[in-house]
Amino acid sequence: AQSVTQLGSHVSVSEGALVLLRCNYSSSVPPYLFWYVQYPNQGLQLLLKYTSAATLVKGINGFEAEFKKSETSFHLTKPSAHMSDAAEYFCAHVTDKLIFGTGTRLQVFP
Amino acid sequence: SAVISQKPSRDICQRGTSLTIQCQVDSQVTMMFWYRQQPGQSLTLIATANQGSEATYESGFVIDKFPISRPNLTFSTLTVSNMSPEDSSIYLCSVEDPTDRAKNIQYFGAGTRLSVL
Repeated sequence: AQSVTQLGSHVSVSEGALVLLRCNYSSSVPPYLFWYVQYPNQGLQLLLKYTSAATLVKGINGFEAEFKKSETSFHLTKPSAHMSDAAEYFCAHVTDKLIFGTGTRLQVFP
Repeated sequence: SAVISQKPSRDICQRGTSLTIQCQVDSQVTMMFWYRQQPGQSLTLIATANQGSEATYESGFVIDKFPISRPNLTFSTLTVSNMSPEDSSIYLCSVEDPTDRAKNIQYFGAGTRLSVL
C-alpha cells in the first residue's frame, strides 16, 4: 500500500533550535511529495513540494526538505525555530490522490 | 494559487440533523475535494467533485451520508446527513492548482469545525 509515515506525533524544541520533522514514504515509483502546515484553527497551507526537479527543496518560512531516494525519506528542517512555527505539520504524497501522514505537532518553547 | 472560502467556519448540531458546508473558490477549477479530519487525526479524502458529473466517493464514504453538489466551476457543497457524535470533525475542501494541474498541488479552505451533540 502506498503511504507516508511521520515519525513522532509530537516534537518540542526551544526557540532558535534546529527543527527536524521526519517523513518516510513507501512507493515503488518516486511520487510527488509535499509538506503542509496547519496553524491552530486554520486550514492547511503548502510549505513546499518535491516534484523531481531538485532533491533539496526550499519552502516558505525558512523551511526546507531533502528528498533521499535511498532512504525513501523527505524530512523537513529549519535551522532556527521561531515561536510562530508552532503548528501541526503533515507530510503528503500523491500518486492517484493526495495521501497524508498522521501529522507531527511542533511545540516551540521560549 | 487559489483562495478558498468555507462556510460555516464552525457549528454545533444536534444528532439526527444535517449540515451543509459551502466551499467557494476565487477561480475556476475542474476538481474540488472534500476531506474529513477527525479529532487528533490526519486528513482523509471523502470524495472528489467534478463539475457536471457525480462525485467520486472513497471507500467508507457514501453519497447518502455525504451528498455533494458541484453546480459550477467555483462552488461546491458537502452535506453531512443524519449526524451522530461520530461525525464531529473538521471538514475541509480543497482545489487543485488552477494554473497547472500537473503540479498536483492542492489549496485548502480553513475548514468547518463540526461538533455533534
